Amino acid sequence: SAVISQKPSRDICQRGTSLTIQCQVDSQVTMMFWYRQQPGQSLTLIATANQGSEATYESGFVIDKFPISRPNLTFSTLTVSNMSPEDSSIYLCSVAKGSSYEQYFGPGTRLTVT
Amino acid sequence: KQEVTQIPAALSVPEGENLVLNCSFTDSAIYNLQWFRQDPGKGLTSLLLIQSSQREQTSGRLNASLDKSSGRSTLYIAASQPGDSATYLCAVKEYGNKLVFGAGTILRVKS
Repeated sequence: SAVISQKPSRDICQRGTSLTIQCQVDSQVTMMFWYRQQPGQSLTLIATANQGSEATYESGFVIDKFPISRPNLTFSTLTVSNMSPEDSSIYLCSVAKGSSYEQYFGPGTRLTVT
Repeated sequence: KQEVTQIPAALSVPEGENLVLNCSFTDSAIYNLQWFRQDPGKGLTSLLLIQSSQREQTSGRLNASLDKSSGRSTLYIAASQPGDSATYLCAVKEYGNKLVFGAGTILRVKS
């Protein structure tokens, strides 16, 4: 299994500002992912965070809006840039471990943009 | 494009009842399927993972089955308890490690 922590757990931000979310894992992992869960909806993959190279973004998500860092095998950050109310969501960090690539999730960061 | 559907969207049952949650997916080329539980305002807890070559997995009162050819999975919960109340999410992992989620089933178990 994996124990994942995220900071902050929640934040209220003003339109036009940026927020950086941190994700820390208790063991080294190759694959880390960032998901978004908009109010009342299910989870959508934003990007895969690769150690030592640029993140791989899903359709509809761009690096300028959601820059990601992955400095080592236990840590990643997601920045939500130039925020608008539509960015109000829960942002979740996830890792895949083991031969079956079972995925584990952090507790999430609840972001409200006013 | 993979699509995952969960039925029912919501379910309310009395304590002690056995229940079944359904999940269907459109593309059978999956690596595995995972069932998660999400409590309000919290992250996801992994319940069961079924590899594409497997038919079912069991953990305590939970049993999940997979019929890859028909694109279906079920999560069976035996002797439900109020503590089982949560949103249950089904997700399929495609080759390339992308998880595609269903919209979830909101379960309420009444005491």
